[in-house]
Amino acid sequence: DQQVKQNSPSLSVQEGRISILNCDYTNSMFDYFLWYKKYPAEGPTFLISISSIKDKNEDGRFTVFLNKSAKHLSLHIVPSQPGDSAVYFCAATVRSGGSNYKLTFGKGTLLTVNP
Amino acid sequence: DTAVSQTPKYLVTQMGNDKSIKCEQNLGHDTMYWYKQDSKKFLKIMFSYNNKELIINETVPNRFSPKSPDKAHLNLHINSLELGDSAVYFCASSQEPRILFGSYNEQFFGPGTRLTVL
Repeated sequence: DQQVKQNSPSLSVQEGRISILNCDYTNSMFDYFLWYKKYPAEGPTFLISISSIKDKNEDGRFTVFLNKSAKHLSLHIVPSQPGDSAVYFCAATVRSGGSNYKLTFGKGTLLTVNP
Repeated sequence: DTAVSQTPKYLVTQMGNDKSIKCEQNLGHDTMYWYKQDSKKFLKIMFSYNNKELIINETVPNRFSPKSPDKAHLNLHINSLELGDSAVYFCASSQEPRILFGSYNEQFFGPGTRLTVL
């Protein structure tokens, strides 16, 4: 049961342009949505999060948009840089027993930023 | 100065063997996790420990037994390894297992252990 879906396995953009990574979800009980970035042979690193009560969160070149009615979120990277080339995982938190929570991840999208 | 470390980085073993993967975090976090990334690239939580106590246990075979000797360590022991156990296993930690004061408690991941069962 895939509750977090990243339908694009890969995306290629030119340096300096905008990268838009998309994510859809099915569980309306998710509290927080997050993006993690992963380089080869490394663990995922946290990038940016957004609460389910907000529709936008911005951090430097990274902005996450949340559309709850469409159960859709997106990550915008502007301007894209070659160092942004990595796999981007969309994830969401859900309660798991009392006040604890767990992360549910999508399959990831490989972003390639060409110089 | 590695925040979350795992050993070994690679593990190749025969079916039926027993193996362990070690995880240590030096961030002073209370909560640690084990994730499995399978061949389809899904990253799924297996276990979570808070202050050495199990708080999340997903549908994982009994052959997998996490052990937390202290808050800084969460080791994963796997008995009678099967072909389907081949995957990359990630350890992670966070300050708290809860969302506090409207803030997400970031999880820090280790570099992963690639387990190959032959």
